[in-house]
Amino acid sequence: DAGVIQSPRHEVTEMGQEVTLRCKPISGHDYLFWYRQTMMRGLELLIYFNNNVPIDDSGMPEDRFSAKMPNASFSTLKIQPSEPRDSAVYFCASTAGLPDSPLHFGNGTRLTVT
Amino acid sequence: AQSVTQLGSHVSVSEGALVLLRCNYSSSVPPYLFWYVQYPNQGLQLLLKYTSAATLVKGINGFEAEFKKSETSFHLTKPSAHMSDAAEYFCAASLGQLIWGAGTKLIIKP
Repeated sequence: DAGVIQSPRHEVTEMGQEVTLRCKPISGHDYLFWYRQTMMRGLELLIYFNNNVPIDDSGMPEDRFSAKMPNASFSTLKIQPSEPRDSAVYFCASTAGLPDSPLHFGNGTRLTVT
Repeated sequence: AQSVTQLGSHVSVSEGALVLLRCNYSSSVPPYLFWYVQYPNQGLQLLLKYTSAATLVKGINGFEAEFKKSETSFHLTKPSAHMSDAAEYFCAASLGQLIWGAGTKLIIKP
């Protein structure tokens, strides 16, 4: 299995621009998570889906952030408009089930907003 | 409410020395427990997990962790540190919702 695939690996954009991050989970995994990691705040859960349905989006910082999962093999996280404080590494992870199956993480997207 | 506490944001050990990374959880029911490792510029990957089958759990790269219910702990150990063990280690607990510790950076001194 190729694992969780995220794209792009790096994204540099200017403040105010729209940013779209993409994730392909492991086939057969019913749960998909979006995390953000920064030095200051550590690892933060943004949102997670079960069977393509958003279950908990309480971690989404503002209305500027939105996430979709149109099918079992694809999810996007969009930031519009982006701000410098959104600079972070964004991780996607998937798992076959909660609570006892481990998460499989992608290698992340490093976002820099100037 | 559940919480996970990792003592020490940074731990430094000499190569060949014992590695001990501490993790304590707070919940009324013993949760499923996990240790993950994150190498630079990579995502987190599973080291080992506790699912109540055995209190001593062996993981990859020579790491193991012992679940102690009386101490609500799940400390990670390795008998002899190697330079390649330098990374950040995260403890996590799950009873449906996955709760993460803040992470501990392991530094290996030559």
